[in-house]
Amino acid sequence: DSGVTQTPKHLITATGQRVTLRCSPRSGDLSVYWYQQSLDQGLQFLIQYYNGEERAKGNILERFSAQQFPDLHSELNLSSLELGDSALYFCASSTSSGTDTQYFGPGTRLTVL
Amino acid sequence: AQSVSQHNHHVILSEAASLELGCNYSYGGTVNLFWYVQYPGQHLQLLLKYFSGDPLVKGIKGFEAEFIKSKFSFNLRKPSVQWSDTAEYFCAVISSNTGKLIFGQGTTLQVKP
Repeated sequence: DSGVTQTPKHLITATGQRVTLRCSPRSGDLSVYWYQQSLDQGLQFLIQYYNGEERAKGNILERFSAQQFPDLHSELNLSSLELGDSALYFCASSTSSGTDTQYFGPGTRLTVL
Repeated sequence: AQSVSQHNHHVILSEAASLELGCNYSYGGTVNLFWYVQYPGQHLQLLLKYFSGDPLVKGIKGFEAEFIKSKFSFNLRKPSVQWSDTAEYFCAVISSNTGKLIFGQGTTLQVKP
């Protein structure tokens, strides 16, 4: 158990819908990262927040957004969902914003029908 | 472009065989290197990491990796694999220039009992 928690574990929804994925970092970690894992794209970095502020952006679509709240939990919002958004979404956390070790949560499996 | 390349996509070994998984990266500047393992249906777990110092690092479960700076490589090794090592293995690199953790495509290891 890494100490990073994610909810829900599974999510099934329809195209065009919007969902919110939630992540709580390890105690004391200030950075939260979101990743998408799919068969064709592998593990892709989406976005990083550090202490409430966006720190780095990766291959995140405009339909996706994230935020980090004062209690340091983070939410990833996915809207206008498409079939191709079906994937595993992982959250990771680290102590700082730099090159520290990232510890991963159990992931949310999103299925878009 | 910055990238991480894992040479083997699928490796099949018998128990007690030795394992070496290749990983090369193309980055400038200072890098931190990681190997993560993902057991079937589970999240990513840190196997080992290299930040600085002795280029031969030892991780959990008998795994080790060697950082060869001149070859931009960070190969993972284990002298004798077990059936329980069946999993997907990811090499990942974070550069001080970008601060983004970039993953290789992953190697699926299947160990036959």
